[in-house]
Amino acid sequence: AAGVIQSPRHLIKEKRETATLKCYPIPRHDTVYWYQQGPGQDPQFLISFYEKMQSDKGSIPDRFSAQQFSDYHSELNMSSLELGDSALYFCASSLSVNPYEQYFGPGTRLTVT
Amino acid sequence: AQKITQTQPGMFVQEKEAVTLDCTYDTSDQSYGLFWYKQPSSGEMIFLIYQGSYDEQNATEGRYSLNFQKARKSANLVISASQLGDSAMYFCATIPGGFLNDMRFGAGTRLTVKP
Repeated sequence: AAGVIQSPRHLIKEKRETATLKCYPIPRHDTVYWYQQGPGQDPQFLISFYEKMQSDKGSIPDRFSAQQFSDYHSELNMSSLELGDSALYFCASSLSVNPYEQYFGPGTRLTVT
Repeated sequence: AQKITQTQPGMFVQEKEAVTLDCTYDTSDQSYGLFWYKQPSSGEMIFLIYQGSYDEQNATEGRYSLNFQKARKSANLVISASQLGDSAMYFCATIPGGFLNDMRFGAGTRLTVKP
């Protein structure tokens, strides 16, 4: 079965650079969530989208923005990167009628040097 | 704020045996959801099981079952007939009030299945 796809899987950036992470949800899933997992930490919710509209916002820095496109894929844009942004970024998707069953992608490991 | 506690940083289990991973939570909400996720060394998060606070029966999914004791505020994961591929980090998570934007994860338990 098709799973959540994230690209790239690994990304290395320097401080103050920008990064764009992409997420392709499971087909027919209409809700996308973004999480950040720092080294040795549990995942933290960043932001979610439903039907291309931002639905909820968590601990997402102002330097980050995200959107969901007409094909339901989502992009997380990160600017003025800091060393502390180094983390594993997960995208998850679900059907709005069953939001509790979130399927996570493999994650994008971002390293800021 | 809702707090999730996983008291076992690491657990070992013999292949084919059952293992219980502990999770307790602290909430004043009447409605909430509880999840378990598996994170193998490859890094992805795999949804295992979900339990709603109003569900009277314990959730089960194949070899996974959630021992939900509402009065004790515990939601332990039971894995039956452990397999080598079960070796991974396991995270308990909760959504207080049913709000998915507020999913809180525990610190995780690293399970190692021994042959």
